[in-house]
Order: sequence, then structure tokens, then C-alpha cells
Amino acid sequence: QQQVKQSPQSLIVQKGGISIINCAYENTAFDYFPWYQQFPGKGPALLIAIRPDVSEKKEGRFTISFNKSAKQFSLHIMDSQPGDSATYFCAASKGSTLGRLYFGRGTQLTVWP
Amino acid sequence: GAVVSQHPSWVICKSGTSVKIECRSLDFQATTMFWYRQFPKQSLMLMATSNEGSKATYEQGVEKDKFLINHASLTLSTLTVTSAHPEDSSFYICSARDGNQPQHFGDGTRLSIL
Repeated sequence: QQQVKQSPQSLIVQKGGISIINCAYENTAFDYFPWYQQFPGKGPALLIAIRPDVSEKKEGRFTISFNKSAKQFSLHIMDSQPGDSATYFCAASKGSTLGRLYFGRGTQLTVWP
Repeated sequence: GAVVSQHPSWVICKSGTSVKIECRSLDFQATTMFWYRQFPKQSLMLMATSNEGSKATYEQGVEKDKFLINHASLTLSTLTVTSAHPEDSSFYICSARDGNQPQHFGDGTRLSIL
């Protein structure tokens, strides 16, 4: 059973556009929500993470929006660049960073120049 | 900081042989290490969690006699795929964590069994 549901499966965005990836969860015990970026043949790299006590976190061009009541969170990539083309995974854990990570299925983002 | 190194990055071996994959934390002490398996265009599947000096905890459906995990020091964990067969071919990724810090991932090992 998928603990974290991610959509879309693939996304094509023009350079300079906004990329939006959505995730939803059911387990209200989750208290840590990271996003990972993975390039082909590489391991995932932590991009940005949020905890449920805030509704938004921004780091450079990357923003997480968190809706606790809807049990949803999303990643926004502003001014998308071809170098952002990668697979993005959302994840969730309980016990903050101490817990095991439950990953979404991933979104393959392609940014056209 | 927080670099996790995996070796080898790619290995090809014959069916029936055993293969060992190393995962090292280069600049921090990894109190906990995780091993994942990833099929093409799919998500990461947690195989097991290991704490230094303790036996690994395997996820349901993962054969512990098939996938031997050793976490003998605070900087090294190994995954040995015993008597590997073509269906074991996959991308294996480790991650490491120091205390309550976030997990940091290695660059994975592509295992191909002929």
C-alpha cells in the first residue's frame, strides 16, 4: 500500500516556467516531508524538507507548500531550467528524521530549453 | 559535508556468485544505515535498516539470508547478495544518517547478473 501518493508521473515544462509536483498522504503521524532530486545513475539528493508546523518553505527557486488539513504537500520549481530535468521524489516519515522514509513513486521532470 | 560513498558503482557477475557492495560515510559517523533497491523508473524500496553493531532489520518480503547486511563500524556497511541470480539485477542504493540528521544517499550500485 502506497503511503505517499505522488503526481504527475511525468511533467514537461518550458524553460522559465513553473514546475509543480503534488503529493498526498494518509498517515497523520507523519511529521517530516522531504523532497529528493535524482539524476540518472545517481542516488537521490535532499532538495528541501518541511515539517507540519509551517505551511510554506522556500529555498532559492524551490518552494514546498504544505496543507495539513488536506494532507497534501507540493513542490514548486520557479524559473525551471534544463538542468532541473531529473526525477523528483516526495517522501514522508514519522519520528521526524529518525523515522524510515516512505517515498512517492516519483515524477520525471523534463524542462525544454 | 555529509558524503556517502558507494563501491562499486557498477558490477557484472555470473549467476550463482556472491557480490559485496560497500557503503561508507566519509565525513560523519553513520549511526544508522539503510539499503534500498530501485528498479528502472520506479521508486526506492527499503530493504533493511541497520544500526552500528546490531543486526539489521529487514523489511517484509526481503530474504535476510539472500541479502546479508553488516554494519560493523560507524562508517561502513556492506550488503552481500549471495548466490545472485538475474532477478537480483537492480540498482542498490544505501543511505546513512548521523543521529537525528537527515539521511544522505550514496550514488548507488548497478548490479547486473548474467
